[in-house]
Amino acid sequence: ETGVTQTPRHLVMGMTNKKSLKCEQHLGHNAMYWYKQSAKKPLELMFVYSLEERVENNSVPSRFSPECPNSSHLFLHLHTLQPEDSALYLCASSLRTGAPYEQYFGPGTRLTVT
Amino acid sequence: AQKVTQAQTEISVVEKEDVTLDCVYETRDTTYYLFWYKQPPSGELVFLIRRNSFDEQNEISGRYSWNFQKSTSSFNFTITASQVVDSAVYFCALSEGVGGSQGNLIFGKGTKLSVKP
Repeated sequence: ETGVTQTPRHLVMGMTNKKSLKCEQHLGHNAMYWYKQSAKKPLELMFVYSLEERVENNSVPSRFSPECPNSSHLFLHLHTLQPEDSALYLCASSLRTGAPYEQYFGPGTRLTVT
Repeated sequence: AQKVTQAQTEISVVEKEDVTLDCVYETRDTTYYLFWYKQPPSGELVFLIRRNSFDEQNEISGRYSWNFQKSTSSFNFTITASQVVDSAVYFCALSEGVGGSQGNLIFGKGTKLSVKP
């Protein structure tokens, strides 16, 4: 495995379901990120983890719950989502948080909430 | 306030044409970093380049070149002799400061490039 991987690649869930997105990085990085990408909107940063500690939460609704058990893995737990939460969810990692470190992205999970 | 503007929403060219993607940024910091990413249909954002605010030298990498001009707050990206495989959404991004959460990436809305055979 190389780079940043995400599973599942596609997910369809009802508004009452509970599901989790998984991200794994094989780059030896210390920072991990969740982004949301909706149609016709800029990429939105959701959460930032540095050395397994959450360092940023950009006013994300509580129906999204991140978890970072170690520096290689990042989860996004989903529950009671709304249709407007349908989007591409991208995970990224970088050597450390912030400038000047470039972020490396996974392929994303395409989420559809019905 | 930080902001990245990519005024071109979509561009369509024919293979072998040259194409320039525009990026204009706003920042109050004197130290900042600019990035370009490519997002092909597969979804994954691919890192292309990073420049710091103190290095205005243009850069060329194969068919790709970048023109950084602080005087106009622009960081434009040119693809020479475009190919169908260049079709993707291209994002320009800005990161301010050094380290810490203040250096998070601020993305533009992206420019969708379609290269037709």
